[in-house]
Amino acid sequence: AQTVTQSQPEMSVQEAETVTLSCTYDTSENNYYLFWYKQPPSRQMILVIRQEAYKQQNATENRFSVNFQKAAKSFSLKISDSQLGDTAMYFCAFMKRGREKLTFGTGTRLTIIP
Amino acid sequence: DVKVTQSSRYLVKRTGEKVFLECVQDMDHENMFWYRQDPGLGLRLIYFSYDVKMKEKGDIPEGYSVSREKKERFSLILESASTNQTSMYLCASSQRTPSINQPQHFGDGTRLSIL
Repeated sequence: AQTVTQSQPEMSVQEAETVTLSCTYDTSENNYYLFWYKQPPSRQMILVIRQEAYKQQNATENRFSVNFQKAAKSFSLKISDSQLGDTAMYFCAFMKRGREKLTFGTGTRLTIIP
Repeated sequence: DVKVTQSSRYLVKRTGEKVFLECVQDMDHENMFWYRQDPGLGLRLIYFSYDVKMKEKGDIPEGYSVSREKKERFSLILESASTNQTSMYLCASSQRTPSINQPQHFGDGTRLSIL
């Protein structure tokens, strides 16, 4: 079974700063996907960024990027130039390739301070 | 865009009541999921359905059942609601074999309070 650990329950940063959310996971699988989901207050959970395990290049989506360290089983999310709209719960998730289920971490509540 | 619609955003019920949470998706997805979200615990899978009338227990199925009579609709049932089932419930859907670009799509959630 897979486990996903997010060790930072809450974080806060000033607007325009850069913040990094950590995520580690444990698996014996070699072929899998990793995701970061964002859940704004009272709003729908949306996919922020994704990473395939066999790709060494770190994924980037605009201001969002990841630092994927496969050997260390680490998958951190970096948000650059943070904006007020980035305030949300962020969940790290694991999916074995070819399977249907996601395994989620416990989440990090991020607050961007004006 | 995929639309996953949960019938209620907020619901208040009493202990012992039978509670139905409804979820509908409009993208002809084979897979549908019910999660429970609690602070400090993240999202935990209650039940998963991979086809009409087919279901599989998730990590925390106790006290819950599900129904999938039509492909687009997946219902979560609390047979006899208890206060420890007060929580946020999220429905999600996906294709039969999810891709990295479309793992799961989520509804807005139902915040259920059991008094």
